[in-house]
Amino acid sequence: AQKITQTQPGMFVQEKEAVTLDCTYDTSDPSYGLFWYKQPSSGEMIFLIYQGSYDQQNATEGRYSLNFQKARKSANLVISASQLGDSAMYFCAMREGGSEKLVFGKGTKLTVNP
Amino acid sequence: DAMVIQNPRYQVTQFGKPVTLSCSQTLNHNVMYWYQQKSSQAPKLLFHYYDKDFNNEADTPDNFQSRRPNTSFCFLDIRSPGLGDAAMYLCATSRARGGWSNQPQHFGDGTRLSIL
Repeated sequence: AQKITQTQPGMFVQEKEAVTLDCTYDTSDPSYGLFWYKQPSSGEMIFLIYQGSYDQQNATEGRYSLNFQKARKSANLVISASQLGDSAMYFCAMREGGSEKLVFGKGTKLTVNP
Repeated sequence: DAMVIQNPRYQVTQFGKPVTLSCSQTLNHNVMYWYQQKSSQAPKLLFHYYDKDFNNEADTPDNFQSRRPNTSFCFLDIRSPGLGDAAMYLCATSRARGGWSNQPQHFGDGTRLSIL
């Protein structure tokens, strides 16, 4: 069974607008962490934001925020005020408690149009 | 700055000729990972080291080996590269906290491997 599902292969957004990238997950472990990574065309994987399963508040990091809905098992990434440099692949990933491994979704390719 | 460094950035090798990719880190993290990523796909974990303990993924081909001589360095050896092994290879590190899931993995810039 797929543990991380990203249903949007590609998304387009106008510069300066906000965009939401979807991520749903599946786990029976009460302790887990959710991560978002950005991968530009140059290939490096850049850590953006983290949400823990016990965190009471949604995570925020600058223009990135995470819309965490635990009951629905979703952890959507919101990018506010999109910039041309935000064009990249975005991966949602999960780490279950006690595991050293990340499970990645298939990614969403975001294109920011001027 | 503390970081994960992969060398070389681009590697070209011949079909069947052994190749080694290297990764070093200054983060002093005890876990190091190797991923293979093919075009338009998610990274696929090949194996990881927890300190000196080697953990192989069940579907990693025997053609792929790894060495970790010390905390800072980790190598990926491909014994007889085939055309299907052309990919981006990503090294990552993490601080294991046993039971805590909040440690992100920090990635290097990757090595893009081409097979002639």
